[in-house]
Amino acid sequence: AQKITQTQPGMFVQEKEAVTLDCTYDTSDQSYGLFWYKQPSSGEMIFLIYQGSYDEQNATEGRYSLNFQKARKSANLVISASQLGDSAMYFCAMREVNTGNQFYFGTGTSLTVIP
Amino acid sequence: EAQVTQNPRYLITVTGKKLTVTCSQNMNHEYMSWYRQDPGLGLRQIYYSMNVEVTDKGDVPEGYKVSRKEKRNFPLILESPSPNQTSLYFCASSLSRSRTRKETQYFGPGTRLLVL
Repeated sequence: AQKITQTQPGMFVQEKEAVTLDCTYDTSDQSYGLFWYKQPSSGEMIFLIYQGSYDEQNATEGRYSLNFQKARKSANLVISASQLGDSAMYFCAMREVNTGNQFYFGTGTSLTVIP
Repeated sequence: EAQVTQNPRYLITVTGKKLTVTCSQNMNHEYMSWYRQDPGLGLRQIYYSMNVEVTDKGDVPEGYKVSRKEKRNFPLILESPSPNQTSLYFCASSLSRSRTRKETQYFGPGTRLLVL
């Protein structure tokens, strides 16, 4: 079974609008971390936001927020006020702390911001 | 400057010719890892290391070897490369255990490998 599922291969959003990128995860570990990374066309991996499994509040980092719904095992990334520079590939990832410390990545969502 | 470095950045080789991709970090991180990225498959973990002399297989370890003799270095070795190992490879490092933002991985710039 997939540990991380990103069901949106590609998304489009109008500049200045908000967009939600979906991510669901599968784990039996009680302690885990959820991450979002951005990969622009230049190829580097840029850390955006982190949510711990014991964090009660949704994480926020500037224009990025993570909509964490633990019971549904979802960790959607919300980008507010989209900018042209947000066009990139976005990856959701999970780290299980108590069961091996592996990192698992989704297949990614390609976001295109339209002027 | 805190960073993860990989060398080489680009490599073209032929089937069966042993190669090593080096990875080094200057953040005193315990955890280091190698990934390969292929279109439509995202990043898949090859090997990871929790600390010196401790390594574990990820999801796709076949055809790869690693070693962790020093905390800062984690080389990836392809003993006999094959065309299906053509990919973009990333090295990454992080603190080993933490419940804070510091758990995030820091990625190297990537190594593009073409095996003919």
